[in-house]
Amino acid sequence: EDQVTQSPEALRLQEGESSSLNCSYTVSGLRGLFWYRQDPGKGPEFLFTLYSAGEEKEKERLKATLTKKESFLHITAPKPEDSATYLCAVDSLSMDSNYQLIWGAGTKLIIKP
Amino acid sequence: ETGVTQTPRHLVMGMTNKKSLKCEQHLGHNAMYWYKQSAKKPLELMFVYNFKEQTENNSVPSRFSPECPNSSHLFLHLHTLQPEDSALYLCASSQETGYNSPLHFGNGTRLTVT
Repeated sequence: EDQVTQSPEALRLQEGESSSLNCSYTVSGLRGLFWYRQDPGKGPEFLFTLYSAGEEKEKERLKATLTKKESFLHITAPKPEDSATYLCAVDSLSMDSNYQLIWGAGTKLIIKP
Repeated sequence: ETGVTQTPRHLVMGMTNKKSLKCEQHLGHNAMYWYKQSAKKPLELMFVYNFKEQTENNSVPSRFSPECPNSSHLFLHLHTLQPEDSALYLCASSQETGYNSPLHFGNGTRLTVT
């Protein structure tokens, strides 16, 4: 069964303290992996799409990487405004539908000043 | 306005009420979606419309009824809901269906069923 697991469930960091969020997936074939950011009281906001192992994407303090089993979202020198819940989703070849994504439950990131 | 707009932002309804959620997208996208988000659970896809045609109904109970009058507007009609239906309901749109089109979400309607 296709599955996406995000860890940790919550992460508290001091401002400037770099770390990584993990998204591990078990799917029969990967079409794409997505990262979204969700602020309290708002809908998820698209960050990155990764398609194949070894691919990397960057945006400001965020860098997403992909292997055959997992993806990492690296946060370098985070600021309080990076506090949010980060969601990972996978598009699997095994899904009959083009519309079905397998979502993780998210990692809540809190950056303390 | 730009992006995806959802109204109302908050809704409290009794189990016997009938209400509707509204979603409007100003992005010129062809696909629209309803998702349910419950605390600490993954997003659940409910319905998908592509060029105004419903293409996915993810085994959603009949007390939820979607309507898509055109490619910019999407409604979710609610009736005789249960307390476990309390959640954040998110509308999203994408240029087309498929993994090459990222989803653009509205800010959701927080629904409480009493």
